[in-house]
Amino acid sequence: DTAVSQTPKYLVTQMGNDKSIKCEQNLGHDTMYWYKQDSKKFLKIMFSYNNKELIINETVPNRFSPKSPDKAHLNLHINSLELGDSAVYFCASSPRARVGGYTFGSGTRLTVV
Amino acid sequence: QKEVEQDPGPLSVPEGAIVSLNCTYSNSAFQYFMWYRQYSRKGPELLMYTYSSGNKEDGRFTAQVDKSSKYISLFIRDSQPSDSATYLCAMDGGGTSYGKLTFGQGTILTVHP
Repeated sequence: DTAVSQTPKYLVTQMGNDKSIKCEQNLGHDTMYWYKQDSKKFLKIMFSYNNKELIINETVPNRFSPKSPDKAHLNLHINSLELGDSAVYFCASSPRARVGGYTFGSGTRLTVV
Repeated sequence: QKEVEQDPGPLSVPEGAIVSLNCTYSNSAFQYFMWYRQYSRKGPELLMYTYSSGNKEDGRFTAQVDKSSKYISLFIRDSQPSDSATYLCAMDGGGTSYGKLTFGQGTILTVHP
């Protein structure tokens, strides 16, 4: 009964490849997010969707494209992967923006070689 | 200067000690304050969520917010080895931030038996 689940947990791929990470939440939350955690454990927001609508798009290369087919799912597609994309990517959700705290998934550890 | 400053530690204490973790921030628009705990290779887990200045207690954890000084703290009483983790402070502003959290760098805590 995982509240926020991400797949895959680990992803090792070569530079230049395209990959996707999927996220699903079963909490009935309206808002979903993608965060990136670098090697120094610093978490930074990338995108936020509220009920399938993009509401936050931080300064992220346009090689990163989020997609939300419905409010329970938020996927992240990355084109032309670069070495600097190696990080842990976390999906999260909240009931509404600024209501309560977030529930995070367990992360996808992406390694680009 | 980062919007949120947090001493990364590491912090090592004996079991039973009182632990004090702190963050300072520069953005006076922040209204919501959170503490997350992150175990190795896991997603952040919400510990405390506060809105106003003052104290909030939950079991062995007490969160303190001083908006006038732009300073927040988390106190852990009777610390246990299971408290060993990275502790992240996070803040959310009002207006059009739409739930965008700004995180501190995280403090690595080790509680040794």
